[in-house]
This record gives sequence, C-alpha cells and structure tokens, in this order.
Amino acid sequence: GDSVTQMEGPVTLSEEAFLTINCTYTATGYPSLFWYVQYPGEGLQLLLKATKADDKGSNKGFEATYRKETTSFHLEKGSVQVSDSAVYFCALSAQENSGYALNFGKGTSLLVTP
Amino acid sequence: KAGVTQTPRYLIKTRGQQVTLSCSPISGHRSVSWYQQTPGQGLQFLFEYFSETQRNKGNFPGRFSGRQFSNSRSEMNVSTLELGDSALYLCASSLSQYNSPLHFGNGTRLTVT
Repeated sequence: GDSVTQMEGPVTLSEEAFLTINCTYTATGYPSLFWYVQYPGEGLQLLLKATKADDKGSNKGFEATYRKETTSFHLEKGSVQVSDSAVYFCALSAQENSGYALNFGKGTSLLVTP
Repeated sequence: KAGVTQTPRYLIKTRGQQVTLSCSPISGHRSVSWYQQTPGQGLQFLFEYFSETQRNKGNFPGRFSGRQFSNSRSEMNVSTLELGDSALYLCASSLSQYNSPLHFGNGTRLTVT
C-alpha cells in the first residue's frame, strides 16, 4: 500500500541554519503530496502542497519539489528561525472508495536554538 | 472564518467505558475525517464522512465508530475502552475534492486509565 518515509529526528539547528527534512514515498497512481506542521499543543497546519510531478510548493520560506523520478518531496528552508521549532509531517493523499485519506510519515521534530 | 472545533479538549476515562468526541468543521466544508495520533504509531486514519455517509475507513476495530449530521458536524465513539486507546484524536475538515488540504482541529486528548 501507499506509504511515506521521513527522516527521523530530532533535528537541532542553530538560528539561520539551512534545513532539509527528507521525505520519500511509495504509491500507486499519482498522489498529491503535502507537508504539515504541528506546533506544541495544537493540531496540524498545512504548510505546503504539490499535486503533480515537478510542482514546487512553497510557503513561509519553506519549499518542497515533487520528484517523481526519485519519489521524493524533501522540505527545505534557507534560514530557520526559533519560531520554526515544531514537528513536521510529510503526507500523501490516496483516493480510495470515492473518499480519500492522508497517509502520514512519522514526523520529524525540529528544534531551533538562538 | 472559524476553524475546526473539537470538544472536549481533554478526557480521562476508565477501561471498559465508552466515550464520544465531537467535531464542528469549518463552515462550508462537507468532508470530515478523524485521525488518531500516538507516539508509537504516529498519525493513523480512522474514517472519513461526507454528506452523512462514511466514504472511507481505516484499519481500526469495530469499537471505533463515527457519524456525521446534516449540518456536517461529526462525532466519533469508542466503546469498551482499552489502555491502548489513549491518544490525541484529531478531526479535520475539507472541501472534499481529492487533493484539497485538510484543516485540523486542536484535538481531543483521551487518557484511559
């Protein structure tokens, strides 16, 4: 079945460092890909998405490109801030039985220190 | 526009009891999904409802059930609670198109003792 694999955390970076969180997927068909972020004590928020190969999603300085040839959707940010500390989830959508569900990776915890 | 509202935020129950969680979606959203989040298993899909019909269901036992009302509000019920049901239960709503993003509530933290 469809699945998502993320790099394990926690990831600790200094402010203004470059961030990469790796995400690869296995899917039949052509899923849409998402990155969600979860801040402490809150639900998940959509960070960015890409719906077809070679699409680049971007938001708040974060970017990810849908690479079909490598089945990857790595999250990057050029200069992280303390406020970016959170858990990041890669996910793919799977359409089944006329409904759909998201398959999430295990999440990567990011801590940014001043 | 108000976000997804889940009630209650916290619940403590005893093994064997049952529990009902509530979710009010964003106005205009007709699809409501439920997810279970635990440290060990991560986020797992429970079920999705659209127009009062369950469209999709994850791999959970029959003790987990849900429903959706005509105003799109949804409830999920867990009967005969087990210790392993302790988790954060997240509700999400969407416009229901295949690749439309999910909007999550802050969750209900269920502790089973």
